[in-house]
Amino acid sequence: DAKTTQPTSMDCAEGRAANLPCNHSTISGNEYVYWYRQIHSQGPQYIIHGLKNNETNEMASLIITEDRKSSTLILPHATLRDTAVYYCIVHSGGSNYKLTFGKGTLLTVNP
Amino acid sequence: GAVVSQHPSRVICKSGTSVKIECRSLDFQATTMFWYRQFPKQSLMLMATSNEGSKATYEQGVEKDKFLINHASLTLSTLTVTSAHPEDSSFYICSARGLTNTEAFFGQGTRLTVV
Repeated sequence: DAKTTQPTSMDCAEGRAANLPCNHSTISGNEYVYWYRQIHSQGPQYIIHGLKNNETNEMASLIITEDRKSSTLILPHATLRDTAVYYCIVHSGGSNYKLTFGKGTLLTVNP
Repeated sequence: GAVVSQHPSRVICKSGTSVKIECRSLDFQATTMFWYRQFPKQSLMLMATSNEGSKATYEQGVEKDKFLINHASLTLSTLTVTSAHPEDSSFYICSARGLTNTEAFFGQGTRLTVV
């Protein structure tokens, strides 16, 4: 699976949009970009995933660059409950994939 | 999203005893389950992957005789920490994926403390 690079930490003001970047320059054509988050002392939560088109759901939007070498997770109106570690993971989603986590980005939403 | 239930959420056991952690997929059939361990201020470390009805595949450095994984049905996997020692104290998390899902769903985690 392709490696990802994320900033260690970011801050965001409550009510503003949080934009979390992820670099995955070695991504293969059949690999998806997945985002999960982990709130302190809880199991990770699936947020969104995409292949090449931008995606939106009730939690967030995912913007993938045309060359697919990077992506941005957007939380449109961050709340204090969005404070968490956000993980960007790239894999093919095939039946034999292993879901492995990097260090992620600690997003702190400030009042 | 799909629901994965993990039990217990917290357990304290004496050194030398065994502890079993259950992971259930409540509203889908989990063809693959993953078990992770997370130490304080660190990321999740994959311990093993199990497919229903097959033996688990363990990651390098994880002792299969110490961490027994059973995935006997499409809705239940168990992790048994045998002869637990204080260094096994950690946050254990399971994850499940169904045949029609590309995303995985996680349990709420089990905080194991060995005294």
